[in-house]
This record gives sequence, structure tokens and C-alpha cells, in this order.
Amino acid sequence: ELKVEQNPLFLSMQEGKNYTIYCNYSTTSDRLYWYRQDPGKSLESLFVLLSNGAVKQEGRLMASLDTKARLSTLHITAAVHDLSATYFCAVDSGSARQLTFGSGTQLTVLP
Amino acid sequence: NAGVTQTPKFQVLKTGQSMTLQCAQDMNHNSMYWYRQDPGMGLRLIYYSASEGTTDKGEVPNGYNVSRLNKREFSLRLESAAPSQTSVYFCASSESRGGGYTFGSGTRLTVV
Repeated sequence: ELKVEQNPLFLSMQEGKNYTIYCNYSTTSDRLYWYRQDPGKSLESLFVLLSNGAVKQEGRLMASLDTKARLSTLHITAAVHDLSATYFCAVDSGSARQLTFGSGTQLTVLP
Repeated sequence: NAGVTQTPKFQVLKTGQSMTLQCAQDMNHNSMYWYRQDPGMGLRLIYYSASEGTTDKGEVPNGYNVSRLNKREFSLRLESAAPSQTSVYFCASSESRGGGYTFGSGTRLTVV
């Protein structure tokens, strides 16, 4: 059974600071997704990482994937208040093609 | 560009009542999914349909049934609602492995 663990679960950071969210998963997969969710809203796709060593960047967010270590990171550079949200990683597993989600990281960026 | 449309957006049920959550996508995707989201637990897969005419159980299927009515529509039915089914339900669709998943706006269900 695939397990996906994110840490930290809660993160408060000052504006302008950098931080990294970690996503570990338990079985082989080369497809990993990052989503953002604002309170009461649906999931917004941020990144799709499809191969080992993949790195994608959008604005202040950068995601990477190490399939050998079964680890993905979401790095936040110079955080701003608008980045406050819950961030989920999800792993695409097996031939049945299902997404298994981590528990999410609730990010609060303080002024 | 509707994407994935879910109805209703909100629903309150009494224990034992039944209801069907509707989901439709207009992207010609083969695969569709139903997830539930509970506080602190991320999203968990209830049922999925890899293609029209097929459905399979996910991680938490008990208490639910699904119907893949056609390529566009995938419904989720609660036959006898229980308070433990209070949750936010998301429908999603995808084209092929490695492609992206598109999520609906969610249905907030409360069972009292």
C-alpha cells in the first residue's frame, strides 16, 4: 500500500523567508503532483513532476523530484502573504493510475 | 471551459437518507474519480472509473456506490447516509497516465 507523508503539517513563516516542504512516498513512482488549496476551495494544480531529477519553477515556488530517494520537495523563496494556503503532494501509483495524497501542509505567511 | 462540474455544492442529510452526487466533465477524459476530504487527512479515493463501463474501489469505498453513466458523467450514491460520511467530496478526471488531473469545486455534505 502506497503511503505519502508530508512534513511539516503546519508551517508559519515570516514574509521574505525561505522554506521547504517535504514529501516522502513509500513505493516506486515517477509521477508526482503538487496542489494548492485555499480554504473552502478546490485543488489548483501547481506542478507535475514526471521523471527523476525533474525540477519545475513557477514564481516563488520550485518543486523537485528524486525518485531514487522517493522524495519531492516544494521550496518557497521569499514568501509573501498570498502564498498562504494548504499544499498537497500526491503520487500516481500503479497500473490502476490512482492519486494518493499526503495529509497536506498548512502554510501561513505572516507579515 | 467548464472542466469538471459537481452538483450540488452543499447538502445536509439526515442519518439514513440517500442521495446522489453528480459529476460531469467536458474534457473527453477517460478516467474519473471520487475523493473525500476530511480535516487533517488529505484526500482519500472512494471509487474510480478508468474508462467508460468500468468502476473500481479505492481506499474507502464502504457505504458508497458509483455509476459511470457515460464518458462524461460519474455519480456517487450514498444509500443510507451516516454521520461518518460528513465530508467534502471532490470529483476529478484525467486523460492518461502522466497527464494532469482536474478537480471539481467540491460538494460539502453534512449528515446529522
